[in-house]
This record gives sequence, C-alpha cells and structure tokens, in this order.
Amino acid sequence: DTGVSQDPRHKITKRGQNVTFRCDPISEHNRLYWYRQTLGQGPEFLTYFQNEAQLEKSRLLSDRFSAERPKGSFSTLEIQRTEQGDSAMYLCASIRPSRQANTGELFFGEGSRLTVL
Amino acid sequence: GDSVTQMEGPVTLSEEAFLTINCTYTATGYPSLFWYVQYPGEGLQLLLKATKADDKGSNKGFEATYRKETTSFHLEKGSVQVSDSAVYFCALSDRDDYKLSFGAGTTVTVRA
Repeated sequence: DTGVSQDPRHKITKRGQNVTFRCDPISEHNRLYWYRQTLGQGPEFLTYFQNEAQLEKSRLLSDRFSAERPKGSFSTLEIQRTEQGDSAMYLCASIRPSRQANTGELFFGEGSRLTVL
Repeated sequence: GDSVTQMEGPVTLSEEAFLTINCTYTATGYPSLFWYVQYPGEGLQLLLKATKADDKGSNKGFEATYRKETTSFHLEKGSVQVSDSAVYFCALSDRDDYKLSFGAGTTVTVRA
C-alpha cells in the first residue's frame, strides 16, 4: 500500500502525559499537512511542511504542540502535557504540487485517534 | 478568512431517493472546491472537485457545479444507494498553498 500511513491508529493516555504521532506521506509528496478533527466537525488545519520546512502554523497549535519533518519524509506531531480537550482525530495528508498534474487533491491517512482520560 | 458552510445533518434517505447537500463558501480569491467523503471506518477521500467557475465535478453518480455568482457548490445524486452512507465534507483550497478549509460535514444514511 503506498497511501499515507499514520501510527498509532488509536492512543489512550492520561491527562498530563506526552504523546507522539507519526505520519508517513506518499513517496515523493513534498508537502505534508496535519489536521485535527473533533466529533461532529470538519477537519481543522494545524500546520504544513514543504520538505523539511514548516511553512505555516495555525493558532490552534498551542505551545504544547510541536511538529517536525526532519528529513522531508515522515513527520511527527507531539503533544505535551495532554489535556482532555486534546481528544480528537489527528489527520495527516500529503500532496506533490505540480502545475501540470495538480488537481489540488490532498491524500489523507486514516488518522490517529487520541483519547485523553 | 476562507470558510465553508454546509447543510447540517443528519440526512436519512431511502434507496433510490434524490440527495442534495448544500454548500456555500466565502473566499477572497478564486479557490478550488471539493467534496470529500468519509465512509465508516475509513479515511477521507476525494469524491469530486472543480477548479474554476461553471466547472462541474462528477464521480460515482455525484455531481456539483462551481457557482461563483452564488458562491455555492451543492452536491447532488439522483438515486442513492445504501453504499453511499457516509459523511460528506465540502472544502475549498487556496491554489497556492493547497490548504483545505472544510465544512462541518453532513452525515448521510441511506436505508434499504
């Protein structure tokens, strides 16, 4: 399978603990996006990378959140000192922008569901 | 900023019924418009798209037309099936950063 993969699929943690999610984008996709989706809502943009550079961060991304893409391939999203309000599905998506071939379509992973007790 | 408003659900239909999900948008430029679908237990996937005014996107019997004058991108299907039960998201994208802004989603349940 050459789609976007995310790990773990589900994480249950206690309030105050740190968690880290990993995303492996589609090979050769140089842009990678993180979204958060809470129950009954659409995905909300958190941040995105072009290669290893983090180009934009949403106001939703508090200082407890940090994302990295050190080699321009996989990315990690870490949440420190988790709070119950962090409970959500964290989605990763990737794209390879191309003037010729671009459709604007983001390819999404199946998400990592976080439950903070 | 850019935003999308879509019809609230849930929507429950019988098989072969006509489905419409309304979507309107606010954007400063000329965004691309999308419908994404999330089937139970699966990730988001693109259903259809339109990149300029009057374009019609279509896929799997679903259609939506980019209406700049009404800033709308309503999703329609003439005869739904049980397998169309899913959550449908309207979204727009700035063409430079490809960052998607999503609506809240509409849950559609089709009964046999």
